[in-house]
Amino acid sequence: DIQMTQSPSSLSASVGDKVTITCRASQDISNYLAWFQQKPGKAPKSLIHAASSLQNGVPSKFSGSGSGTVFTLTITGLQPEDFATYYCQQYASQPLSFGGGTKVEIK
Amino acid sequence: EVQLVESGGGLVQPGGSLRLSCSASGFTFDTYNMHWVRQVPGRGLEYVSAIGSDGRNTFYSGSVKDRFTVSRDNSKSILYLQMTSLRPEDTAVYYCVKAQSSSSSENSHRVFDSWGQGTLVTVSS
Repeated sequence: DIQMTQSPSSLSASVGDKVTITCRASQDISNYLAWFQQKPGKAPKSLIHAASSLQNGVPSKFSGSGSGTVFTLTITGLQPEDFATYYCQQYASQPLSFGGGTKVEIK
Repeated sequence: EVQLVESGGGLVQPGGSLRLSCSASGFTFDTYNMHWVRQVPGRGLEYVSAIGSDGRNTFYSGSVKDRFTVSRDNSKSILYLQMTSLRPEDTAVYYCVKAQSSSSSENSHRVFDSWGQGTLVTVSS
C-alpha cells in the first residue's frame, strides 16, 4: 500500500500570506495526486486533481505542483475562508490513501 | 447541481449490522464510479470502498473487506454500503463520493469530484 505523508501537520498564518503544504508518497505515483479542503463540521471539498488541475469553480489562489513522490499545495493571498484542514490523496493504485492532513490556522 | 445525500447512520452494538444509503441527483448516476470514505470525528480521512458504474467491479480496503458490501441501484440512483460484524473502530462519519467518470483513462474513475454531507455511524454497547 502507498503511504502519504503531509508536512507540516499544522501551521499558523495571517490573512494575505502565502502558504505551502508538502505531501510525500512512499513510492512513485506519477501525477495521480489530489488535494481536498475540509472545514470544521463539513464534508471535504475537492480542490485539485492530477497534481495541478483545479476542480471546476476552485479559485486560482490554489495551485498544485509536483510529480513522482513529492507534491505541494500553495495558497496565495490567504483569506478567512481558507483557514481549514487540507488533505492530499493518491489515486495511482488501490487502496487509495490520504495524507494525515495539514491544519491551517489564523495567526 | 450534483447532490449526494447519505442516510442510515446511527447507533449500533458491536457485532451488529447497518446499511447506509446515498441518494444521488443532478447527474447521470449510472455513468459514474462511486466511492465510500470515512472519518473518525476529529481524525483524518480513510478510504473504504469503490464500485464501478455498472456495479460489477468493487474494491474494499483491508480494514472492511469481508464485512462490508458496496452495491448500487442504478434505476433508483442509490448507492449502498451494507456493514456487518461492526466493530467500535468502525465508528466514523461515512461519506459517499462521486468520481469524475467511469473511465480508467488517467485514473479518472478514481478522481473524487463531489462529496455527500456524511452520516455518522457509532458502534458502541
